[in-house]
Amino acid sequence: DTGVSQDPRHKITKRGQNVTFRCDPISEHNRLYWYRQTLGQGPEFLTYFQNEAQLEKSRLLSDRFSAERPKGSFSTLEIQRTEQGDSAMYLCASSFSGGALETQYFGPGTRLLVL
Amino acid sequence: GENVEQHPSTLSVQEGDSAVIKCTYSDSASNYFPWYKQELGKRPQLIIDIRSNVGEKKDQRIAVTLNKTAKHFSLHITETQPEDSAVYFCAARYSGAGSYQLTFGKGTKLSVIP
Repeated sequence: DTGVSQDPRHKITKRGQNVTFRCDPISEHNRLYWYRQTLGQGPEFLTYFQNEAQLEKSRLLSDRFSAERPKGSFSTLEIQRTEQGDSAMYLCASSFSGGALETQYFGPGTRLLVL
Repeated sequence: GENVEQHPSTLSVQEGDSAVIKCTYSDSASNYFPWYKQELGKRPQLIIDIRSNVGEKKDQRIAVTLNKTAKHFSLHITETQPEDSAVYFCAARYSGAGSYQLTFGKGTKLSVIP
């Protein structure tokens, strides 16, 4: 499968625990995005990387959220001290900056449930 | 920042009829408008997209129209089939100043009745 992949697909955790999600973009894509989707809503942008540089992070929901893309390939999104309001689907997308329309392709998402 | 409004939130059509979903955006600098289809429990998948220098784009039964003056764009699906049933999201993107994120509408749940 050459599409965007995410791991894990589902995560159940207790309030106060830390969680980390991984995203593997399409191999030649240099841009990587994280979105959050809650029930009945469209995806909401969180942050994005161009190669290993995090170029936009002001939309991260709080300082409990952080993301990395250390070698410009896969990325991780970490949520510290989880709260019940963090329960959502976390989507990753990637794109190639040289494309005419620069389509973003989404992964299957990680569904987080905080108890 | 950009704001995207999408209507209707739900839409039911008979198989074979057409469906139209409309979106408006607030930032006149937005220049790229994709539409995604999301089936239950699955990833959003791009179905069609358009840049602001084009007024209309078609791909088989699907078309998108853009009115830059009015800042609205629409998705048209003709000859609907049961497999078209899904949630459809419009989005807008402003690519200036290094900004590449998509701003999504809240979605339209389309039901095609056989």
